[in-house]
Amino acid sequence: DAGVIQSPRHEVTEMGQEVTLRCKPISGHNSLFWYRQTMMRGLELLIYFNNNVPIDDSGMPEDRFSAKMPNASFSTLKIQPSEPRDSAVYFCASSLEAGLNTEAFFGQGTRLTVV
Amino acid sequence: GENVEQHPSTLSVQEGDSAVIKCTYSDSASNYFPWYKQELGKRPQLIIDIRSNVGEKKDQRIAVTLNKTAKHFSLHITETQPEDSAVYFCAPSANQAGTALIFGKGTTLSVSS
Repeated sequence: DAGVIQSPRHEVTEMGQEVTLRCKPISGHNSLFWYRQTMMRGLELLIYFNNNVPIDDSGMPEDRFSAKMPNASFSTLKIQPSEPRDSAVYFCASSLEAGLNTEAFFGQGTRLTVV
Repeated sequence: GENVEQHPSTLSVQEGDSAVIKCTYSDSASNYFPWYKQELGKRPQLIIDIRSNVGEKKDQRIAVTLNKTAKHFSLHITETQPEDSAVYFCAPSANQAGTALIFGKGTTLSVSS
């Protein structure tokens, strides 16, 4: 397996534009997580899915953020409209089963810059 | 929810010295205690984990010790090498289906040769 695959690796966009980040989890993993990483706030959990169903989105900062998982092999994180304070590295991770003491495997991340 | 704190936030050691990073948590139901390592510009990766029925686990130069009574666990790195330089995260969690890993703020370890 190629591991968790994220795209794009880098994204530079202007304030107000829509941004869509994509993630393909490891085949057979039932749980998918979206994290945001900044120097100030560290690794923050935004939302996670279990069997394609959103379980906890309390970490999503505001209504500008939305996430979907239409099937077991694909998820998106959308920001609309984007703002400069959204600039961060966004990681997607997957695991066999959330909460059952299993390792989370991270993608390489998407570095988002909003100017 | 789980409150996780790591200390120190930064740590600088000389090559060959030992390094210890402590993680304190609040949820007494936590029973899984992993440590992740993130090298500069890379993704976080699991390096060692321990479960609450074990007090200590060792893997070559790294070890994790657990004190459930005091609600903290520590990462120990002996004979540090420059390639140990990274940010280390703890992520204690309870064994409950549907709960996600909540990471500490991280500890930046710098090993100078």
